[in-house]
Amino acid sequence: QKEVEQDPGPLSVPEGAIVSLNCTYSNSAFQYFMWYRQYSRKGPELLMYTYSSGNKEDGRFTAQVDKSSKYISLFIRDSQPSDSATYLCAMKGHNNNDMRFGAGTRLTVKP
Amino acid sequence: KAGVTQTPRYLIKTRGQQVTLSCSPISGHRSVSWYQQTPGQGLQFLFEYFSETQRNKGNFPGRFSGRQFSNSRSEMNVSTLELGDSALYLCASSIGQGQETQYFGPGTRLLVL
Repeated sequence: QKEVEQDPGPLSVPEGAIVSLNCTYSNSAFQYFMWYRQYSRKGPELLMYTYSSGNKEDGRFTAQVDKSSKYISLFIRDSQPSDSATYLCAMKGHNNNDMRFGAGTRLTVKP
Repeated sequence: KAGVTQTPRYLIKTRGQQVTLSCSPISGHRSVSWYQQTPGQGLQFLFEYFSETQRNKGNFPGRFSGRQFSNSRSEMNVSTLELGDSALYLCASSIGQGQETQYFGPGTRLLVL
């Protein structure tokens, strides 16, 4: 079993839809949870950064962390074609920059 | 503020050769981490350098090595290249205190023939 599990998709939604992406993990030492967006042939771009459990909202993006269930989510409201990319969840422990990534979910938002 | 830069962006090598990749972190960032990204394995941590010292290391063979200079710029080296080393090599920088997150460069795409 992988340390971080993420459904690779692909996921296709119509423009304006709410998108839900999620990851599960097994290592209880993880305390920092990130979501990155990666366009084709580009480096990952940080979208959301959350410490421990809770919700964080930034514009159309909401990140949720449930440490008791070892489950994290990213919601995208009013999705746009420009949101079409691969979304990677990542997590790490305290004082440790060894990030563990999910496989990435490829999202397509159709106009 | 300029982002993380990586050179070269693309590289073609043959089996058995060695390669050196370079990464310049965001100004003020002292930690540089390297990752390998492949379609089959995804993003995997190679190693992290902080203040010219390797602080963490992933599960890669000794053919993969790195170093960091006093200006925080980092290089990674892969010796005796194998076909399976073909990948996107990404470098990420952070301030270095451990709690903050990392910012990625555009990557170097390496093709081994």
